[in-house]
Parts: sequence; structure tokens; C-alpha cells
Amino acid sequence: KQEVTQIPAALSVPEGENLVLNCSFTDSAIYNLQWFRQDPGKGLTSLLLIQSSQREQTSGRLNASLDKSSGRSTLYIAASQPGDSATYLCAVRGSASKIIFGSGTRLSIRP
Amino acid sequence: NAGVTQTPKFQVLKTGQSMTLQCAQDMNHNSMYWYRQDPGMGLRLIYYSASEGTTDKGEVPNGYNVSRLNKREFSLRLESAAPSQTSVYFCATYGLAGGTETQYFGPGTRLLVL
Repeated sequence: KQEVTQIPAALSVPEGENLVLNCSFTDSAIYNLQWFRQDPGKGLTSLLLIQSSQREQTSGRLNASLDKSSGRSTLYIAASQPGDSATYLCAVRGSASKIIFGSGTRLSIRP
Repeated sequence: NAGVTQTPKFQVLKTGQSMTLQCAQDMNHNSMYWYRQDPGMGLRLIYYSASEGTTDKGEVPNGYNVSRLNKREFSLRLESAAPSQTSVYFCATYGLAGGTETQYFGPGTRLLVL
């Protein structure tokens, strides 16, 4: 049974800092891993998707890495801005199309 | 393209009442999903359908049933609503669009069970 954990549950940093969000999963037989952003009261916005054969993906100030053997992914945000404040969720897709989410990290960037 | 649509947007039920949440997609994706999100929590998978004609249980299926009516539509039914089912329900698809593989979400249905 796949379990997805995100630590920390909440994080507050001053503007301009680089930060890392963590996602771990128990079953390494995954198809891909995706990072999403969710603003309060809103739906989910896809940020990055990493296939199981890839090690990392980059989009602007975001970099996501995947270490399948250790069951870990990280989302690196460079030069954080107040507009980055949101909840960040990771989701793991298994080979049978089942997609399980972590509980999220609530990020607050202080001006 | 409408993407993923959900109806209704908001619903209030009394304990014991039944209702069906509707989801439709025009993206021609095979896989569809139902999640619930409680305040301050992540998304928990209720049921999913890898392709037309198949459905499978997710993490929290008790109290729910689903129907994959055709490739476009995937409905979620609460037979006897309970206050513990108060939540925001999201429908999603998974597939390719614009060359990118990703999960696409509907706007959500806010359900309050009194």
C-alpha cells in the first residue's frame, strides 16, 4: 500500500530565501511523481512532473528531484517571493493509474 | 474546451439523504478520479477508474459508490450521507494535453452534511 508523506506540514521563511520541500513514499514502484500548488479555497495547479526514469525537472525558479530507490522527492524553490505562499502537494502515480497525494506543506513567505 | 466540469458547485444535505456528484470531461482521457479534501488536509483518493468500464477503490471508499457511465462521465454517489462526509470533492482526469502528461482537476463541489 502506497503512503505519501510531506514534511514539514508548515513552513515560514523570509522573502529571498531558498527553500526545500520534502515528499517521501513507501512503494518505489512508481510511474511518476507530480508537484502541485494550491491557493486557499482554490483548485490545484500543476507545477512539475517527474517520470520514474528521470532524476529532476526544472521550471523557472522551481526544481524537483526524484530518488526512486530511497522513496524521496524534493521541491527546491529559489529566491522565494510572497507570491509563492500556498500549499504544495506531491502526488505519486503507480503503474495501475492509482494516484495518491501527500498531506501537503503550507508555505508562508514573509515580506 | 471545458476541461473537467463538476456539478453541483455547492450542496447542503441532511444526515441520511442521498445524492450524486457528477463529473464530465472533454479531454478524451482514459483515467478519472474522485478525491475529497478536508480543511487543512491533502487530497484523499475515494475511487478511481483507469479506463471506461473499470473502477477501483482508493484510500477512503466507505460510504461511496461510483459509476463510470462512459469515457466522459464519472459519478460519485453518497447513499446515506453522514456529517463525516462534509468536505470538498474534486474530480480529476489524467492524460496528455498539449504534449504534457498531467492530472487535471475540476473546480470542486463543496458538500455540507447537517
